[in-house]
Amino acid sequence: NAGVTQTPKFRILKIGQSMTLQCTQDMNHNYMYWYRQDPGMGLKLIYYSVGAGITDKGEVPNGYNVSRSTTEDFPLRLELAAPSQTSVYFCASREGVNQPQHFGDGTRLSIL
Amino acid sequence: GENVEQHPSTLSVQEGDSAVIKCTYSDSASNYFPWYKQELGKGPQLIIDIRSNVGEKKDQRIAVTLNKTAKHFSLHITETQPEDSAVYFCAASTGDYKLSFGAGTTVTVRA
Repeated sequence: NAGVTQTPKFRILKIGQSMTLQCTQDMNHNYMYWYRQDPGMGLKLIYYSVGAGITDKGEVPNGYNVSRSTTEDFPLRLELAAPSQTSVYFCASREGVNQPQHFGDGTRLSIL
Repeated sequence: GENVEQHPSTLSVQEGDSAVIKCTYSDSASNYFPWYKQELGKGPQLIIDIRSNVGEKKDQRIAVTLNKTAKHFSLHITETQPEDSAVYFCAASTGDYKLSFGAGTTVTVRA
C-alpha cells in the first residue's frame, strides 16, 4: 500500500514550457486535491475532485488544468509555465468529508 | 470562505519542555480540525484531529483542545524531543470538500 505517489520529485522548466505533474493513489479514495506550498506559507488549494469525471477550482486555479478519468489518478497540467509557478506541489486524497487527508511527498518545480 | 490564523510562526523550546501552537478560525460552521506535521522534504502527515463535538483529545504526548465559543483550537506537545522538530499546520473544515490551512509553525527543539 503505497498511499499517494507523486512524480517527478524535482523538475526545472523554462518559461513557456508545459508539463504534467502526476499523482496516483491506491486507497480507492474519491476525493483528491492539488495544493501548492510557497516558502513560509501554508497550503493553497489549486483544484480538487470529488470523483472520477468531476473536478472543481480551488483558491488559485489560474495557469493550471486537471482531469480525473479514473479514481486512482489526478494529474495537474501546466500549459505555459511562468516564474510565479515556482513552488512545491502536493497531491492529497481522502476517503470522505471530515476524514484525514493523505499527502504525497511533493514535486519541487522551478521555472527559470 | 474560511480563514485560519496560526501563531506563533516560529517556536524554539528546550528538550523536555512543552510546546503550544494556537489557531483561530473565522467560520462558526467549521466542525473538523486536523493538525499536520511536515518534516523536511516530505509531505504533511496527520498527527491528530478533533471534531466539534469534542473539547479535547489526547494521543500520548500530543493533545488538541477546541474552544468553539472563542473559535480557536490549540496543539500541545509535552516532553518535547528532537524528533518533534518540524513544521506544524493546523486546518479547519466546514464539512464540505475542502480544508483551510494555517500558515504553519516551525518548531525547533534544542538539545
